[in-house]
Amino acid sequence: KAGVTQTPRYLIKTRGQQVTLSCSPISGHRSVSWYQQTPGQGLQFLFEYFSETQRNKGNFPGRFSGRQFSNSRSEMNVSTLELGDSALYLCASSDRTPSPETQYFGPGTRLLVL
Amino acid sequence: AQKITQTQPGMFVQEKEAVTLDCTYDTSDPSYGLFWYKQPSSGEMIFLIYQGSYDQQNATEGRYSLNFQKARKSANLVISASQLGDSAMYFCAMREYDYGGATNKLIFGTGTLLAVQP
Repeated sequence: KAGVTQTPRYLIKTRGQQVTLSCSPISGHRSVSWYQQTPGQGLQFLFEYFSETQRNKGNFPGRFSGRQFSNSRSEMNVSTLELGDSALYLCASSDRTPSPETQYFGPGTRLLVL
Repeated sequence: AQKITQTQPGMFVQEKEAVTLDCTYDTSDPSYGLFWYKQPSSGEMIFLIYQGSYDQQNATEGRYSLNFQKARKSANLVISASQLGDSAMYFCAMREYDYGGATNKLIFGTGTLLAVQP
């Protein structure tokens, strides 16, 4: 099976812009979670989507949003970018039925905000 | 609140030797799951091993084993016969539980940077 894929791998934006990141889970996985990794805050959970519904949300401002499509692919959007949004954004997928299983991560998208 | 603590920011080990990476956790839930991930410089998080709180035996996966001491709330990762390719950041993580049971939210430690020397 192909692993989790994320696009783009690298991105440079300027403050105030918005960005959309994409994640394709492992075939058959219906749960997609997003994490932000920064040197200062470490790995932090953003949100989880399962069957097109947000199941769980981390402690991030409303500028961070996401969605999931019927084919389980997920996108996350960050509006009005700030310098502090520079980070590695990781997506993870799992088969959530009947209970949460091991999550498998993609290679991440490195976002730099100038 | 659940918490993962990794007290070793960095470690060196000689090639072919075994190394133990420490992880302690804090939770009031009787059910929990513990994970170890490896993150090379490329950034991808690679799943290594999982231990459930009710598992009777310590988890093993090839050269990786988990020294699970429930009473001490520790879940140390043991890598046997270290290889140069093991040089990476290693994260211990715990699955968060809420009123609905297990979630897919992982709480991560700060990580341990392992350098394997030839």
